[in-house]
Parts: sequence; structure tokens; C-alpha cells
Amino acid sequence: AQSVTQLGSHVSVSEGALVLLRCNYSSSVPPYLFWYVQYPNQGLQLLLKYTSAATLVKGINGFEAEFKKSETSFHLTKPSAHMSDAAEYFCAVSEGTSYGKLTFGQGTILTVHP
Amino acid sequence: DTGVSQNPRHKITKRGQNVTFRCDPISEHNRLYWYRQTLGQGPEFLTYFQNEAQLEKSRLLSDRFSAERPKGSFSTLEIQRTEQGDSAMYLCASSSWGAQTYNEQFFGPGTRLTVL
Repeated sequence: AQSVTQLGSHVSVSEGALVLLRCNYSSSVPPYLFWYVQYPNQGLQLLLKYTSAATLVKGINGFEAEFKKSETSFHLTKPSAHMSDAAEYFCAVSEGTSYGKLTFGQGTILTVHP
Repeated sequence: DTGVSQNPRHKITKRGQNVTFRCDPISEHNRLYWYRQTLGQGPEFLTYFQNEAQLEKSRLLSDRFSAERPKGSFSTLEIQRTEQGDSAMYLCASSSWGAQTYNEQFFGPGTRLTVL
């Protein structure tokens, strides 16, 4: 069965600092991996996805993530945080013959200080 | 392309009442998903359709819950005899399943249910 663990329910950084949000997954078959962002009282917006084409994936708003099979990780990074990055971030995995449902981590709330 | 829409955005009901939510997916998408999100948690999968066929249901989807997608377009999620534990955000997503689409799911804004 697939599962996702996000280390750190809250991460706080200063504006301009590196953002690192951690995600580890468990999957019995090659997975598709996703990072979504959620602003208060809104739905989820896709930041980026890994689909086995390249291990370093670039997404929107300057975010990127690296797939490391040996570490079963898919950590999200951004070189320089902006105040507008403050939100909740979810890592998700999709697997199986039909790659149907997404299994989400519990989320990481990112706070950006001026 | 207007995105995934959900109605209503908010619903307050009394325990024991029935409620129904509607989701309109992106028009060319053949898959439609329902998730439930409670405060401080990630979304949890409930069920999904490919066209009008319901392909998978979570064990979270008790007998009080039923979902339909009668013509392979919009979908409804009904909760009968609501309980306070049903209070949550109900999210709908859609995707286009096929080669090179990777099942990227697009989410609607959600329906927030409060059961008093």
C-alpha cells in the first residue's frame, strides 16, 4: 500500500531564506509523486509532479523537487522564500495499474517571516 | 476552461439531515474524484469515477455516503443522516487519464460541511 510521510508539520523561515519541505513515500511500484499547495479556504493547486521522466522536477513559483529512489524521498525546495509562499503544502503519491487515487501526507504549514 | 467547480461552497445542517453536493469537472476530463479533508489533515480519498463507472471506493465511504456520475459529466455526493463527525471540507478533483497525462488531478475549491 502507498503512504506518504511529511516530516515537520510546521516550518518557519525568513524571507529570502532557503525553503526545504521533506516528504518520504512508500510504494510497491514506481510511483507518480506530486506537491500541492493550499491557501486558506481554498482548494489545492499543483506545484509540480514527478512522472519518471527526470529526477529533478521544476514547478511553478520557483519551487523544485528531487526524486531519490534510494532514499524514497521527494523533498520540495525553493532557494529564496517570499512572503506569498506562506501556505500549507501537501505531498502526494499515486500508484498502481491505473494510477487512480492520491494518497496525501498530513501537510506542512510554511510560515515566512519578514 | 473554467476549472473544477463545486456547489454549494458552504453547507450548515443539523444532525440527521441529508445533504447533497455537486461537482462539475473540467469538461474534457474523464476521471472525477472525491476527497474529504478535516482540519489539520491532508485530503483522504473517498471514491473516483472513470466516465460514469465508479472504479474504487474507500472504506471511509460508509453506507450513508453515495456518489453518482450519471452521464460521465458532473457528479453528486450525498450524505444521509448526517453526523457531527461528517463535518469536513469535501473536495472534488478531475483528471484526464491516458498516455502522457500522468493523472494530474485538478481540484475544486471544496464544499465545507458543518453538522450541528
